[in-house]
Amino acid sequence: DAMVIQNPRYQVTQFGKPVTLSCSQTLNHNVMYWYQQKSSQAPKLLFHYYDKDFNNEADTPDNFQSRRPNTSFCFLDIRSPGLGDAAMYLCATSSRTGDNSPLHFGNGTRLTVT
Amino acid sequence: GQNIDQPTEMTATEGAIVQINCTYQTSGFNGLFWYQQHAGEAPTFLSYNVLDGLEEKGRFSSFLSRSKGYSYLLLKELQMKDSASYLCATLDSNYQLIWGAGTKLIIKP
Repeated sequence: DAMVIQNPRYQVTQFGKPVTLSCSQTLNHNVMYWYQQKSSQAPKLLFHYYDKDFNNEADTPDNFQSRRPNTSFCFLDIRSPGLGDAAMYLCATSSRTGDNSPLHFGNGTRLTVT
Repeated sequence: GQNIDQPTEMTATEGAIVQINCTYQTSGFNGLFWYQQHAGEAPTFLSYNVLDGLEEKGRFSSFLSRSKGYSYLLLKELQMKDSASYLCATLDSNYQLIWGAGTKLIIKP
């Protein structure tokens, strides 16, 4: 089945220690998104790629970076995680932007910062 | 500003019917989504409405009134597996998704 896969499901990192979360997709979708979701809150869009074009949300901290080496893979790098960065990180894809294409989410990576 | 309101939590009984409401104020409107999210898992797509009226999909139905800025998700014949959060999200004039914080639905036997 075509899908969006995130690894790992659970990640523990130390305060200030860089961490990378990964996402892969077999849907061949052009658009990949990274969301941050804290408990009982709405998902917050960090950035998205349309093909190789990177789109950063205005309020995404510089601490968060992303790479998309090819259509299938996208990475979220947190350069110096703080306690406030503990959250579920969701990767999603869609076939297009600018229309009503629904998002297809991966199962998420729950990040704990100690 | 852009705003989506949903109740924080609702409780219902197995086999019953529940309606989850969502009101929105956004800059333009290009449709409204409902997603289901089980605890610790990713949201999954349930429905999309862009025209007024009721869309039915099995046990789940979604209603939209654009003039009132209002939608609801109706779940019939509730099952224990329906216990989850239900997220309302709208597409604004730039086709950006605006998310609500979700309604946690608790199903009791």
